[in-house]
Amino acid sequence: AQSVTQPDIHITVSEGASLELRCNYSYGATPYLFWYVQSPGQGLQLLLKYFSGDTLVQGIKGFEAEFKRSQSSFNLRKPSVHWSDAAEYFCAVEDFGNEKLTFGTGTRLTIIP
Amino acid sequence: DGGITQSPKYLFRKEGQNVTLSCEQNLNHDAMYWYRQDPGQGLRLIYYSQIVNDFQKGDIAEGYSVSREKKESFPLTVTSAQKNPTAFYLCASSILAGTETQYFGPGTRLLVL
Repeated sequence: AQSVTQPDIHITVSEGASLELRCNYSYGATPYLFWYVQSPGQGLQLLLKYFSGDTLVQGIKGFEAEFKRSQSSFNLRKPSVHWSDAAEYFCAVEDFGNEKLTFGTGTRLTIIP
Repeated sequence: DGGITQSPKYLFRKEGQNVTLSCEQNLNHDAMYWYRQDPGQGLRLIYYSQIVNDFQKGDIAEGYSVSREKKESFPLTVTSAQKNPTAFYLCASSILAGTETQYFGPGTRLLVL
C-alpha cells in the first residue's frame, strides 16, 4: 500500500526566512502528488500539484515543490515566509487509477517575528 | 460563487445517537469524499462516491453510512456503532474520481456529550 511520510511534526521559522517542508512517499510507480494547507478550524486549500512533466512545480502564495524520483520526495519550499503562512501543511499522494488520496500526518508551521 | 458547504460547523452527539453531517457542492463535480481528521493522524478516508447512487467504503467506514441521491449532496451519518466519533470531518469533491484535484469544504467538528 502506498504511504506518505512527513517527518517533521512541527517547524518554527522566523518571518522572512526560507522554508522547506519534507515529504516522502512509498509507491512503485510515479504517483500524483499534492500539497495542501489548512488554517486552524478550516478546510484544506490546494497549494500545488504534480502530475507529470517539469519536476519543479509552482503553486499559489509563492510556494514551489520539487519532485525527485530518486529520493521519492516532493518537498515544499518558499524563499521567504510571511506570518500568514502559519498553518498546517499536508502532503498527499494518489496513484493512477486508485481514485483515492493518501495523506501524510501533516507539518505544523509556526512563524516567529 | 461555486464551492462546498458543510453544516453544521459544530455538532454534538449524545451516547447512542445517530447524527448526520451535511455536505453540498455546486461545482457540478461527479465525485465526493468524506474524511475524518484527528490530531497527529492526518486525514483518513471514510467513504467516497464516484457517481450518483453509488459509493464505496474508504479506510475507516465502520460506524458510518452515506447516501448519494443527488449529484450535489453527500450526507454522512455517524451511527451509534462509531464508538469514538469525536473528530473534525471534512467533505471534498472532484470533477471525476482519480487524478483530479479534490476541493474541500470548511469542515464539521463533532463532539460527544
